[in-house]
Amino acid sequence: EPEVTQTPSHQVTQMGQEVILRCVPISNHLYFYWYRQILGQKVEFLVSFYNNEISEKSEIFDDQFSVERPDGSNFTLKIRSTKLEDSAMYFCASRPGTPTREYFGPGTRLTVT
Amino acid sequence: TQLLEQSPQFLSIQEGENLTVYCNSSSVFSSLQWYRQEPGEGPVLLVTVVTGGEVKKLKRLTFQFGDARKDSSLHITAAQTGDTGLYLCAGDRDTGRRALTFGSGTRLQVQP
Repeated sequence: EPEVTQTPSHQVTQMGQEVILRCVPISNHLYFYWYRQILGQKVEFLVSFYNNEISEKSEIFDDQFSVERPDGSNFTLKIRSTKLEDSAMYFCASRPGTPTREYFGPGTRLTVT
Repeated sequence: TQLLEQSPQFLSIQEGENLTVYCNSSSVFSSLQWYRQEPGEGPVLLVTVVTGGEVKKLKRLTFQFGDARKDSSLHITAAQTGDTGLYLCAGDRDTGRRALTFGSGTRLQVQP
């Protein structure tokens, strides 16, 4: 079965640094998502992306966050100036259309020190 | 804000026992999905229920979607130690948002 892949699996960064988390969604999918999960807490929606633009974002997704699909295969989440509270697992997901299931990547563990 | 409440949050049982996990909301969902998540990994889809009243079976796991499509349950028969993990329900509104709302999860521990 096709898979969503994410790199890196673990990223450690210092507070105030910029990080870019990378995802390669399944190739024929049209909808892309980022979620995050702080340790011990629920999975939270960050942003959805369709037709090369953001279709919805949560209150978590403030001006420090941005997403891009630069080349038709990668889907990136950038955090401009990381804070300690950004430490979490970040999951990318994609789906071919609606209503269909979402496919989740394995996640990137971001640790901000 | 749509909320999905899962209960119980934690469950520790002996191998061979039965258990039920509940997922409740005041919102109507077009579909509801159940996931299992291992530590440090992404959620893995177990089942999607779409029709009100629908029941789906996956070996010893039985999933039910409420008639009003606001709630769901997961029943495990004769639990095994391999069932240990975090179980998540997630609702899909199929609106312009097109993203999932996750419940807080139920952490299941099956003791040998």
